[in-house]
Amino acid sequence: EIVLTQSPGTLSLSPGERATLSCRASQSVSSSYLAWYQQKPGQAPRLLIYGASSRATGIPDRFSGSGSGTDFTLTISRLEPEDFAVYFCQQYGRSPYTFGQGTKVEIK
Amino acid sequence: QVQLVESGGGVVQPGRSLRLSCAASGFTLSSYAMHWVRQAPGKGLEWVAVISSDGSKTYYADSVKGRFTISRDNSKNTLYLQMNSLRAEDTAVYYCARAFGQLLSNAFDIWGQGTMVTVSS
Repeated sequence: EIVLTQSPGTLSLSPGERATLSCRASQSVSSSYLAWYQQKPGQAPRLLIYGASSRATGIPDRFSGSGSGTDFTLTISRLEPEDFAVYFCQQYGRSPYTFGQGTKVEIK
Repeated sequence: QVQLVESGGGVVQPGRSLRLSCAASGFTLSSYAMHWVRQAPGKGLEWVAVISSDGSKTYYADSVKGRFTISRDNSKNTLYLQMNSLRAEDTAVYYCARAFGQLLSNAFDIWGQGTMVTVSS
């Protein structure tokens, strides 16, 4: 099983600031089968990034993903009020399709 | 529009069974692999099971293997999760999610709103 470890657990930032979220895998993630999801309270997760760096349909370009192998990053270039949420990374290369424990981006 | 709607959740005693359904609309279910993902109260996301587009392949998390069965009826555009021998630790919101294509190795692009399952005596 591939274990994904996200850091930090909580990120306290102000609107307009840049957010950098990390996801580290215990083994190499094949073919960059790494996704990022955003989840707001009481809502289902929403796909932001797939293939480590491709934005899903309708996702603003302030969201970007990078990385390969075992180290991946989600960057939000300038935080908007609606971006304060919990973010999960996930590897979907092979079963079990594991998720990281999440990073909460909160308003400072 | 493209939508997934789960149903069948509720309160059930330990050891009992429950079947969840996920109705798809706005797209042809038979063209996509489908997953179940759960989230315990206040916790993170846990992948549960996947089924291939034609139903021929299924995979499960170790925590549910032998107790849960994922299935689909493409003629009814519906996905199912049969949950047997339920335990308190199965208490969670259960989401169905569409894989971004036919292949099992695809991100989850469409999610339902979730259905709550509470296992308690």
